[in-house]
Order: sequence, then structure tokens, then C-alpha cells
Amino acid sequence: AQSVTQLGSHVSVSEGALVLLRCNYSSSVPPYLFWYVQYPNQGLQLLLKYTSAATLVKGINGFEAEFKKSETSFHLTKPSAHMSDAAEYFCAVSEEQGGKLIFGQGTTLQVKP
Amino acid sequence: EAGVAQSPRYKIIEKRQSVAFWCNPISGHATLYWYQQILGQGPKLLIQFQNNGVVDDSQLPKDRFSAERLKGVDSTLKIQPAKLEDSAVYLCASSLAGRSSYEQYFGPGTRLTVT
Repeated sequence: AQSVTQLGSHVSVSEGALVLLRCNYSSSVPPYLFWYVQYPNQGLQLLLKYTSAATLVKGINGFEAEFKKSETSFHLTKPSAHMSDAAEYFCAVSEEQGGKLIFGQGTTLQVKP
Repeated sequence: EAGVAQSPRYKIIEKRQSVAFWCNPISGHATLYWYQQILGQGPKLLIQFQNNGVVDDSQLPKDRFSAERLKGVDSTLKIQPAKLEDSAVYLCASSLAGRSSYEQYFGPGTRLTVT
């Protein structure tokens, strides 16, 4: 069965610092991988997705993620954090196009001035 | 392009009462999903529709939850009777059906509190 593990339920960084949110997945088939962001009282917004093309995926708002099959990881990074990046971030996996998303527990990103 | 619409945004009910949520997907999106997001957890799929047919309802508690998507457009999710553990945010998402159009777009959700 598929599963997603996000290491660290809370991550705190200073404004301008590197953001690194970790995600590991388990899947018996090559997966489709996603990162979503959720602001308070809002739905989920897609940041980026991996669909077996380039292993380094660039998304919106300066975020990117690298698919590493050998490590079964899909960590999310951003070189310089902004205050507006404070939100909940979810990693998700799907085994088929259009199939259900299996989400991780989420990581709350706090950005300190 | 209008996004996924959901109503109501908030609902408070007592246990054993019934409640219904409504979702209007993005125009032309054939696939519709209902997810349950309990506080502190990631969303979990309850049911997936392709047009007006059910694709996956394996995690839907069918003794109390029901969902329909008449005419392949709007959908309603009902809980009857509600339990305390049903307190959660219910998210609706939609996507185009197609090899390159499977991104899921989420609505703002309905926050349900069962007292």
C-alpha cells in the first residue's frame, strides 16, 4: 500500500533562509508525486508535481523539488523564505493519473522575521 | 475560470443529526473527489466520481455517509447520523479526465463541527 511520510510536523526558519521540507514515499510502482500548500481556512493549492519527466521539478512561488528514486524521496526546497510562505505543506502520491491522492501528515512552516 | 465551489463553509450540528454538503466542480471537469481532513492530518479520500459513476468509495463509511453526483456535475455528500469523530474539513476537488490533465483542483472546504 502506498504511504507518505513527512519528516517534521513543524519547521521554523528565518526570513531569507533556506526552506527544506522532507517527504518520503512508498510505492510499488513509479509514482506521481505532488506538493500542495494550504493557507488558513483555504483549500489546497498545487505547488508542483512530478510526472516521470525531469527529476528536478520547478513550481510556483520559487519552490522546487527533486525526485530521488534511490532514496524514495521528494523533498521541497526554496532558497530564500518569505513571510508569505508561512502555511501548511502537504506531500502526496498517486499511483495512476487521475487516481486518488495519498497525503502525508503535513508540515507547518513558520517564517520568523 | 471559476474554481471549485463548496457550501456551506461552516456547519455546526449535534451528534446524531444529519448534514449535507454541496460541491460544484470546475466546468468541464469529469472527475470529482471528496476528501475528509481531520485536524492535524492530511486529507483522506472518501469517494471519487467519474462523470456520475463511482470509481472508488472504499474508504467511505457507508453506514452513515452517502454521496451522489447527479447528471455528472454537482455533487452532494451527506452524513446521517453524525458522530463526534466526523468533525473535520470536507474538501471537494475536481480534475479533467485525460492523460495530461489529471491535476486536482480543490475547493475551500466545509468545516464541520459535531457537538
